[in-house]
Amino acid sequence: AQSVTQPDIHITVSEGASLELRCNYSYGATPYLFWYVQSPGQGLQLLLKYFSGDTLVQGIKGFEAEFKRSQSSFNLRKPSVHWSDAAEYFCAHHGSSNTGKLIFGQGTTLQVKP
Amino acid sequence: KAGVTQTPRYLIKTRGQQVTLSCSPISGHRSVSWYQQTPGQGLQFLFEYFSETQRNKGNFPGRFSGRQFSNSRSEMNVSTLELGDSALYLCASSFLQGSEQYFGPGTRLTVT
Repeated sequence: AQSVTQPDIHITVSEGASLELRCNYSYGATPYLFWYVQSPGQGLQLLLKYFSGDTLVQGIKGFEAEFKRSQSSFNLRKPSVHWSDAAEYFCAHHGSSNTGKLIFGQGTTLQVKP
Repeated sequence: KAGVTQTPRYLIKTRGQQVTLSCSPISGHRSVSWYQQTPGQGLQFLFEYFSETQRNKGNFPGRFSGRQFSNSRSEMNVSTLELGDSALYLCASSFLQGSEQYFGPGTRLTVT
């Protein structure tokens, strides 16, 4: 069965430090991968997506992610975290171009220390 | 371009009642998906509509239903509400099935 795993439930980093949030997926073919961010009481905002091509994708707010097929991973990175990045981050995928069914990981809550 | 809008934003209902939630997708988007978000189960897919037809359905009881209109607006209905239906219900729209989804702010449903 398709699944997405985010191993870290909670991460704390200092403002200005680098960030990496981990995501592993379980799916036989190349998945369509996404990272979303959710602030408290809000909906989800799309940070970036991977469909095919270059395995390093750039997103909004200075985020990037790298697709590694050999590791079934799609980790999210940011070189320097800002206090406003504190939120919950979700990795998601769907398995083909003709379905809108997104499968989400459990989310990682990011806390930023001043 | 306006984003996805959901109404109402907050709702309090009593067990046994029914509720209808509304979603207006981004202009030009034809696919609408619904998700339930709870602290215990996380984000779970409810159903997806494209061109007024339900294309995919998640693992939810028949009390959960939905529809899509010709203008792509969508509604979901939950009948005979249970306490466990308390959740944030999120609607997302995309241009086509499989393309990236853009989420609305959600409807917070509380069942008492």
